[in-house]
Amino acid sequence: AQSVTQPDIHITVSEGASLELRCNYSYGATPYLFWYVQSPGQGLQLLLKYFSGDTLVQGIKGFEAEFKRSQSSFNLRKPSVHWSDAAEYFCAVASSNDYKLSFGAGTTVTVRA
Amino acid sequence: DAGVIQSPRHEVTEMGQEVTLRCKPISGHNSLFWYRQTMMRGLELLIYFNNNVPIDDSGMPEDRFSAKMPNASFSTLKIQPSEPRDSAVYFCASSSPNEKLFFGSGTQLSVL
Repeated sequence: AQSVTQPDIHITVSEGASLELRCNYSYGATPYLFWYVQSPGQGLQLLLKYFSGDTLVQGIKGFEAEFKRSQSSFNLRKPSVHWSDAAEYFCAVASSNDYKLSFGAGTTVTVRA
Repeated sequence: DAGVIQSPRHEVTEMGQEVTLRCKPISGHNSLFWYRQTMMRGLELLIYFNNNVPIDDSGMPEDRFSAKMPNASFSTLKIQPSEPRDSAVYFCASSSPNEKLFFGSGTQLSVL
């Protein structure tokens, strides 16, 4: 069975600074990987996904993530955060046959002025 | 398309009462998922359906929880009797094969 670990529970970053959120997964085959964001009072929104191909994936809102098979990682990055990026971020992995998602525990991002 | 529609948005109930959460998936999607989000456990998959058939309900916490999908456009998650530890946000999501999940806005459940 697949699993996801997000080592950082809470990250505080200054507006304009860079952000990196860590995600490590466990899955026997090639995984499908996702990053979702949950803003306060809203549902989950997909930021980006990796199925195959180029290991550097561009997403919405200026986010990108890099799939590193050797490290079983799929870290999310943004060069310059905005106050509106304060939210909960979830990494997820899906099996390639039944699309059943497993989520990490989430990382809370706080942006200070 | 209106997206995945969940109702109610908020539910406050007393311990012991029955709670029913509703979900309308996106038309044409054949997979439907129920997730629960708590501070302690983050997001947990409770159950998912494929073509209206429950495929995996191993995440359902106990017999007090039940889920149905009587047709392709409607699903319910029922808790009977409810307990304070059931307080959480419950998300419904739907997808087509090999496509991304679309989540509803969630139902905030508070059991007093």
